[in-house]
Amino acid sequence: EPEVTQTPSHQVTQMGQEVILRCVPISNHLYFYWYRQILGQKVEFLVSFYNNEISEKSEIFDDQFSVERPDGSNFTLKIRSTKLEDSAMYFCASSETALSSEKLFFGSGTQLSVL
Amino acid sequence: GQNIDQPTEMTATEGAIVQINCTYQTSGFNGLFWYQQHAGEAPTFLSYNVLDGLEEKGRFSSFLSRSKGYSYLLLKELQMKDSASYLCAVRGSGAGSYQLTFGKGTKLSVIP
Repeated sequence: EPEVTQTPSHQVTQMGQEVILRCVPISNHLYFYWYRQILGQKVEFLVSFYNNEISEKSEIFDDQFSVERPDGSNFTLKIRSTKLEDSAMYFCASSETALSSEKLFFGSGTQLSVL
Repeated sequence: GQNIDQPTEMTATEGAIVQINCTYQTSGFNGLFWYQQHAGEAPTFLSYNVLDGLEEKGRFSSFLSRSKGYSYLLLKELQMKDSASYLCAVRGSGAGSYQLTFGKGTKLSVIP
């Protein structure tokens, strides 16, 4: 089965530094998402992206966050100036359509640790 | 807004049947998903319900009652590999239709 791939699997950074998390969605998918999961807490929606635009974002996705599809295959999440509370597992996901029944395929995640 | 409640933990015996409940209060509803998440791994899709009733898929079944804001995931013939967290997630409607809102997940431990 096709997979969403994410790199790196682990990222350690100092508070205030910029990080870029990378994702390669499934090739024929058109809708891309970032979710995060703080340790012991629920999976939370950050942003959805379609046709090179943000289609929806949550309150968590403030000005420190940005997303980009720099080429035909990659989808990135940038955190401009990391804070301790940004430490979490970040999941990229993709789907073929935005139909309500459409399942999301999640990548295996990037564990971000901000020190 | 969305509020989704699930039990935090459950334990069941190998070979048995377990039912994991989920209740939700939402401002819009466009379907309910169940995902399985093994520790340190990505969530993987199990089921989707948008109409009332039971959807059966092998050892796993999922039920939905929209009027009660209630769903359950039924796992039959439990295997050790079913030990995982089970996440209930609701898709909103209108402005929230792209996102899934997840519950905190139910950690299921299957014991011999």
